[in-house]
Amino acid sequence: GENVEQHPSTLSVQEGDSAVIKCTYSDSASNYFPWYKQELGKRPQLIIDIRSNVGEKKDQRIAVTLNKTAKHFSLHITETQPEDSAVYFCAAFITGNQFYFGTGTSLTVIP
Amino acid sequence: NAGVTQTPKFQVLKTGQSMTLQCAQDMNHNSMYWYRQDPGMGLRLIYYSASEGTTDKGEVPNGYNVSRLNKREFSLRLESAAPSQTSVYFCASSDTQAFFGQGTRLTVV
Repeated sequence: GENVEQHPSTLSVQEGDSAVIKCTYSDSASNYFPWYKQELGKRPQLIIDIRSNVGEKKDQRIAVTLNKTAKHFSLHITETQPEDSAVYFCAAFITGNQFYFGTGTSLTVIP
Repeated sequence: NAGVTQTPKFQVLKTGQSMTLQCAQDMNHNSMYWYRQDPGMGLRLIYYSASEGTTDKGEVPNGYNVSRLNKREFSLRLESAAPSQTSVYFCASSDTQAFFGQGTRLTVV
């Protein structure tokens, strides 16, 4: 099956700096890559996603990049704010199959 | 539009007791999932159902059973709860995007 690895497991940045979280996957059949944000005590919420026919996608301060050849994708958060503090999960999905999640990155934005 | 609804939100069981976690979605999704979340372990798939009438084991199925009652509902049953099953459980459903329920915090003492 698919194997998704996520790094780093913890990340601290100063408010206003950028944060980058990286994930790799193993199965070239994966064709959809969502990112989830989970605040303490809450459910994971989709924040951005990218499909395998696209290399980059942006939504305000958040962007995701995908390198299919290298089988890795990354989440970029610019101008970080304290409310960005949360656990972030990447995932890889194969059509007709299931979601495979990374182990999460705990992001702390220091005011 | 409620999305994915799971019950209960909290539960305490004694070792050996049984219980069923309920999950329902109103988005007409074919696929539904049950995950458990433990500190430092991320989201681990217990069972999933690609469509009504089908279920498949995930990464950590031991000690659990599931029922895909209809397209809307996917339940998770613990027949004889063990302390190792203390966790937060999330139900999810998807078509091209996955949506999660609010979670069930289960403690087995």
